[in-house]
Amino acid sequence: QSALTQPASVSGSPGQSITISCTGTSSDVGGYNYVSWYQQRPGKAPKLMIYDVSHRPSGVSNRFSGFKSGNTAALTISGLQAEDEADYYCSSGTGKNTPVFGGGTKLTVL
Amino acid sequence: EVQLVESGGGLVQPGGSLRLSCAASGFSFSSYWMHWVRQVPGKGLAWVSHIKSDETTTYADSVKGRFTISRDKAKSTLYLQMSSLRAEDTAVYYCARDLYGSGSSLDSWGQGTLVTVSS
Repeated sequence: QSALTQPASVSGSPGQSITISCTGTSSDVGGYNYVSWYQQRPGKAPKLMIYDVSHRPSGVSNRFSGFKSGNTAALTISGLQAEDEADYYCSSGTGKNTPVFGGGTKLTVL
Repeated sequence: EVQLVESGGGLVQPGGSLRLSCAASGFSFSSYWMHWVRQVPGKGLAWVSHIKSDETTTYADSVKGRFTISRDKAKSTLYLQMSSLRAEDTAVYYCARDLYGSGSSLDSWGQGTLVTVSS
């Protein structure tokens, strides 16, 4: 299973909105509503931010939202804050009940 | 509070073996699918293996036949037995809980344990 495709980096100013894309195939992103997004700060473990395309776990800010169209999913962060600066990874379920991850996107808050 | 604490990482020679442990607390361990995910320092995440609540196991092609995932329900502990280790297995290894058995939504992660394969 090939990794999902994400941009290497995105940036935005405080208060702005940014969107990170995640492109897969019909065998993963396009075939299942099992897209998740993780935030990883330096030296820390990943944290689940979005699951099942658009659901937020308890405690995650509603500034984070997700959606999917065809083989591409996306994470939008609105009202960007300095604390949002981190690496973001998408993942998708597959037909084998196993996840495939994206290569990660480094978010810089200017 | 859900807690996952990995241990067992370290330096091992190519061809050697190592067993990682992940002590779980704060939830009904036997009811959840559990995963191992690894990350080469400075690189992205890569799924390694999972074990379902019915003990069914699945592995990434890169570790199939060399790694074995298991769990001890009485001890609420997840294991990853790694053998025939290669330099490319060098990574931080995380254990993670599957939110509801989708195979994709990993809602709790341990702090990770570093495995270095080098002579």
